[in-house]
Amino acid sequence: DQQVKQNSPSLSVQEGRISILNCDYTNSMFDYFLWYKKYPAEGPTFLISISSIKDKNEDGRFTVFLNKSAKHLSLHIVPSQPGDSAVYFCAASATDSWGKLQFGAGTQVVVTP
Amino acid sequence: GAGVSQSPRYKVAKRGQDVALRCDPISGHVSLFWYQQALGQGPEFLTYFQNEAQLDKSGLPSDRFFAERPEGSVSTLKIQRTQQEDSAVYLCASSRWDRTSNQPQHFGDGTRLSIL
Repeated sequence: DQQVKQNSPSLSVQEGRISILNCDYTNSMFDYFLWYKKYPAEGPTFLISISSIKDKNEDGRFTVFLNKSAKHLSLHIVPSQPGDSAVYFCAASATDSWGKLQFGAGTQVVVTP
Repeated sequence: GAGVSQSPRYKVAKRGQDVALRCDPISGHVSLFWYQQALGQGPEFLTYFQNEAQLDKSGLPSDRFFAERPEGSVSTLKIQRTQQEDSAVYLCASSRWDRTSNQPQHFGDGTRLSIL
């Protein structure tokens, strides 16, 4: 069963505007969440993470928000740049199966001039 | 090197052949992970090592898949008697991560395996 879902397969945003990527999960045991960015023919690159004890984590242009009651995660990119065009994956892990990341199917982001 | 290194980058094999995929983790990383990624999907967990110990192999799809990390550094994923459904990108990741703290996994660029 798919425990991490990214319901938007694609997102188009203008350069300089905000990109908002969403992720939903079903397993209430998940306590560590990550976002990865992937260019074609490369492996996923770690962007930002958040522990379940927090509701927000910020790193430069990237901010991740966690809403545990809604089992919802989002990534905000401000401002969006052409180099941000990539596939973004949400991932989660639980303490009782630590190390086993469960990924969503990804969202393709295209930043237009 | 600075990152996770995987070889070969591309592998083509005939159905029924055995293949071996190699992963060199980031120096000093205790934990090593293998994932399988099908086209248009997110990576799916295969197996996990802490040092040389294989602590979780619950994601290996069949007994044709075998992974080892004998000296706690380089790891090899072996697939015996390959089948067409084994065609995928195989990703290796490493992490400082252990039971006491959450650390991100850092991925290599993967091996794209095509079974003819």
